Amino acid sequence: AQSVSQHNHHVILSEAASLELGCNYSYGGTVNLFWYVQYPGQHLQLLLKYFSGDPLVKGIKGFEAEFIKSKFSFNLRKPSVQWSDTAEYFCAVFAFNKFYFGSGTKLNVKP
Amino acid sequence: EAGVAQSPRYKIIEKRQSVAFWCNPISGHATLYWYQQILGQGPKLLIQFQNNGVVDDSQLPKDRFSAERLKGVDSTLKIQPAKLEDSAVYLCASSGPGRTNYGYTFGSGTRLTVV
Repeated sequence: AQSVSQHNHHVILSEAASLELGCNYSYGGTVNLFWYVQYPGQHLQLLLKYFSGDPLVKGIKGFEAEFIKSKFSFNLRKPSVQWSDTAEYFCAVFAFNKFYFGSGTKLNVKP
Repeated sequence: EAGVAQSPRYKIIEKRQSVAFWCNPISGHATLYWYQQILGQGPKLLIQFQNNGVVDDSQLPKDRFSAERLKGVDSTLKIQPAKLEDSAVYLCASSGPGRTNYGYTFGSGTRLTVV
């Protein structure tokens, strides 16, 4: 079965700190990778996605992610977080015509 | 473009009662998904429809959960009878024709609390 692992369950940062959230997946074939964000009380929103090509993907709100095929990883990064980035972040893999989600990482940014 | 509509937004019921959720996908989207998101976990697929046919319901607890998508548009998800562990957010998502992996759109979800 496909699986998606997010190693950090809860991250606390101060504003302007840099962010990196880890995501590893288990699937040997061609993958499509996504990061979703869920702000408190709101629905899932797409941050960025990777299908092919440049492994460094830029998304909305200054987020980016790097696909490293050899490591089966798709880590999310942001150089300088803001208080408004406080949310839960989900990594997802699309395979066999469905999404498999990680368990999520709660990010708490202190002002 | 209107998003995926879900109702109700919140629902509180007692265990052993029944409940139904409604989803209206984006117009023209052939594929519709229901996910269950338990607090602290990522969404888990319950059932996937392609038009009005079921593609995957392997994770649906069929003894108590049922879903239908009449006419290939709106969908309802029902739980009968509900258990405490069914407390979760139920998310509906839809995706368009062709490749379905373009980051499909989620609805706002229905937060179910079973007491």
